[in-house]
Amino acid sequence: QKEVEQNSGPLSVPEGAIASLNCTYSDRGSQSFFWYRQYSGKSPELIMSIYSNGDKEDGRFTAQLNKASQYVSLLIRDSQPSDSATYLCALLGGYQKVTFGTGTKLQVIP
Amino acid sequence: DVKVTQSSRYLVKRTGEKVFLECVQDMDHENMFWYRQDPGLGLRLIYFSYDVKMKEKGDIPEGYSVSREKKERFSLILESASTNQTSMYLCASSLGGAGNEKLFFGSGTQLSVL
Repeated sequence: QKEVEQNSGPLSVPEGAIASLNCTYSDRGSQSFFWYRQYSGKSPELIMSIYSNGDKEDGRFTAQLNKASQYVSLLIRDSQPSDSATYLCALLGGYQKVTFGTGTKLQVIP
Repeated sequence: DVKVTQSSRYLVKRTGEKVFLECVQDMDHENMFWYRQDPGLGLRLIYFSYDVKMKEKGDIPEGYSVSREKKERFSLILESASTNQTSMYLCASSLGGAGNEKLFFGSGTQLSVL
């Protein structure tokens, strides 16, 4: 089993809808989780981090963490065409090692 | 803003050549990382370093080595380049410590091994 698993997509949503991106992980000891966004031809950039069970909101983005189910999700409300990108789930391991999933490609259709 | 600079944007090398990829960060970050990114495989960690002269293997270290003689510089070395090492290489750094795990990425080096 991969350490971090994501559906590669593409996930297509209409403009204005909620996009839901999901991620599961295998290491129950993981404590810190991140969502990075990567536009085509660009480097990843951090958009959300979450450390505790529950929801964390930042503008149109909400990260959700359920450690019992080993599940992390990212919700994007009022999706915009500019949100079209690949979203990478990541977790922090020992010695500050950061491991990424393969990413989910999101397409927001105008 | 943190700046992570990779020495080359595009690089073309021959099979068997020794290849050096350089990465420099300007914010006194403790941790530095080398990833490669391939379609369908995502970002895979090659090596990382949490202190000067300290290095840890990532998930795919075979065929690579690293050097961190100074805090700001982290070099990735392909001892004998092979065609399966053709990839986008991304360097990243982080300050380190609780709440400071954010990775800052360089713009990447697209390496082609012919």
